[in-house]
Amino acid sequence: NAGVTQTPKFQVLKTGQSMTLQCAQDMNHNSMYWYRQDPGMGLRLIYYSASEGTTDKGEVPNGYNVSRLNKREFSLRLESAAPSQTSVYFCASSTGAGQPQHFGDGTRLSIL
Amino acid sequence: DQQVKQNSPSLRVQEGRISILNCDYTNSMFDYFLWYKKYPAEGPTFLISISSIKDKNEDGRFTVFLNKSAKHLSLHIVPSQPGDSAVYFCAASARNFGNEKLTFGTGTRLTIIP
Repeated sequence: NAGVTQTPKFQVLKTGQSMTLQCAQDMNHNSMYWYRQDPGMGLRLIYYSASEGTTDKGEVPNGYNVSRLNKREFSLRLESAAPSQTSVYFCASSTGAGQPQHFGDGTRLSIL
Repeated sequence: DQQVKQNSPSLRVQEGRISILNCDYTNSMFDYFLWYKKYPAEGPTFLISISSIKDKNEDGRFTVFLNKSAKHLSLHIVPSQPGDSAVYFCAASARNFGNEKLTFGTGTRLTIIP
């Protein structure tokens, strides 16, 4: 009963490197989300996808791109990593608008 | 502009007593509110929710109260148990407006003292 699976769990990058964070859900959910969590900031929405083939910007999209590969998978790409992108990244999925979201365990990303 | 605010970063409560976590919001379009619980090194877990048409929702030891006029909600945990020690986030959405997005507060770290 996996739910939402994120890979990798940890990653260290150098400034300027690129990286793709992977997320997959097995709950047949329509909607998927990417958040970042920083100390004292709560969770902030980066991008979301309401359905396969659609993506929309959230609160903090700059420096990121996403791909909704199919209904199960939603990836987050950092094209040129910056130290300000050091954070814990969470992927989530839900059945639809405003419904409870189910989260993965996060990817801890450090950019030096 | 923080639309969902949790003004208490931390709270310590004795085991067996009531824990009350508070959350305020500013956006009048929010019509659905949720509480999440988060343990270290894990993702947030959905706990309980409430629609704006209600003022109370109960699930076992957890009760959420909504005061729309004050734009305030609270989570009551009775009785508090050691396993309740975690960070609690409140979140809100404008669901009836078709808004996909959840806006989260900054969290309150609850510590249950044995």
